[in-house]
Amino acid sequence: GAVVSQHPSWVICKSGTSVKIECRSLDFQATTMFWYRQFPKQSLMLMATSNEGSKATYEQGVEKDKFLINHASLTLSTLTVTSAHPEDSSFYICSATDVGRHLNTEAFFGQGTRLTVV
Amino acid sequence: GENVEQHPSTLSVQEGDSAVIKCTYSDSASNYFPWYKQELGKRPQLIIDIRSNVGEKKDQRIAVTLNKTAKHFSLHITETQPEDSAVYFCAASMTRGAQKLVFGQGTRLTINP
Repeated sequence: GAVVSQHPSWVICKSGTSVKIECRSLDFQATTMFWYRQFPKQSLMLMATSNEGSKATYEQGVEKDKFLINHASLTLSTLTVTSAHPEDSSFYICSATDVGRHLNTEAFFGQGTRLTVV
Repeated sequence: GENVEQHPSTLSVQEGDSAVIKCTYSDSASNYFPWYKQELGKRPQLIIDIRSNVGEKKDQRIAVTLNKTAKHFSLHITETQPEDSAVYFCAASMTRGAQKLVFGQGTRLTINP
């Protein structure tokens, strides 16, 4: 199957600083990627849809100025958590689909990034 | 928007017995229903999926059934083994191609030896 790589796997940052998380599709092109957040023992909640070459689409309740998404190429989307606070501590996961193969195919997930804000 | 409900939240079964997890969805436009297994701190792994033009799909010990009229789908695991212990998520998608997924709340499955 297709490979999606996420970096870093974990990060600890101080409150008030910004953190950038990268999501790469390694062997396919992804015009669309998705960013999810997962709190401990909870489900994956969609944060935003990352569109190559255009603005991201954010889900209701997600602050676009706090969670900056950039999708500058067909293989890379980045999520920047700005002015991070302890309540932003969570597991962030991206996903992408190789739509070049065929429609309605499997979504592939990155390995996730555990963010801890202290 | 789409809403997916999953039950039960926890499930404990004896090794060798069967486990069933159920999900309901709200939007009749959803046409793709995957099931994921997630181990602690790891990415979700697709274990089986079903599309709206199929009523049932089986892959060895795992099967999924879909009732479009009632808008519910279920995961069935037979002959459970300790390595089946994990959190399982159902999901629904109403977007062709890009797979924007709405997840259920998850079921923590424990297989007792």
